[in-house]
Amino acid sequence: RKEVEQDPGPFNVPEGATVAFNCTYSNSASQSFFWYRQDCRKEPKLLMSVYSSGNEDGRFTAQLNRASQYISLLIRDSKLSDSATYLCVVNMNNNDMRFGAGTRLTVKP
Amino acid sequence: GAGVSQSPSNKVTEKGKDVELRCDPISGHTALYWYRQRLGQGLEFLIYFQGNSAPDKSGLPSDRFSAERTGESVSTLTIQRTQQEDSAVYLCASSPRQGGYEQYFGPGTRLTVT
Repeated sequence: RKEVEQDPGPFNVPEGATVAFNCTYSNSASQSFFWYRQDCRKEPKLLMSVYSSGNEDGRFTAQLNRASQYISLLIRDSKLSDSATYLCVVNMNNNDMRFGAGTRLTVKP
Repeated sequence: GAGVSQSPSNKVTEKGKDVELRCDPISGHTALYWYRQRLGQGLEFLIYFQGNSAPDKSGLPSDRFSAERTGESVSTLTIQRTQQEDSAVYLCASSPRQGGYEQYFGPGTRLTVT
């Protein structure tokens, strides 16, 4: 089993749709979790941290399920500008940050 | 404030030559990471620096790869005797604290080995 796994997609959704991505991780002792966004030929940028109680930032909601060892990202009311690759990042142990391979999202008019 | 900067932005080199990539982290960030990203692939961890501690080199793919960092400042990643499979974007990220906090990435160096 890979340490951090994501469905590569692509997810093709119309504007205004709600879309959700999951990311599973193998290390049950992992302590911190993040979602990053990466646009084509650009560097990853932090989208949001994922807190144990779940957290929301505008149209974006992140959840953590420790029992099942996955995190999720929900995007409501998708915009064309949300088209990107979404990377799940898990802190496996202290400084060991592992990136998933990313889920590609395309929002279409 | 200033973000993470990397230079050069693009580098084309011939197979067998050595290259040196530079990363300037955000001022005050104690942690610094190097990653490699091949076209269409995810990020591959290479090396991690934290302050004056010994670096975590566990991700370096071969002894042709090395990196240095002086204190909490600039880092250089050196690839000796480059091979075509070294072609990738090399990304540097810095983080304000030790231990799994958010990372801020530079724009990367796109390396092409011909």
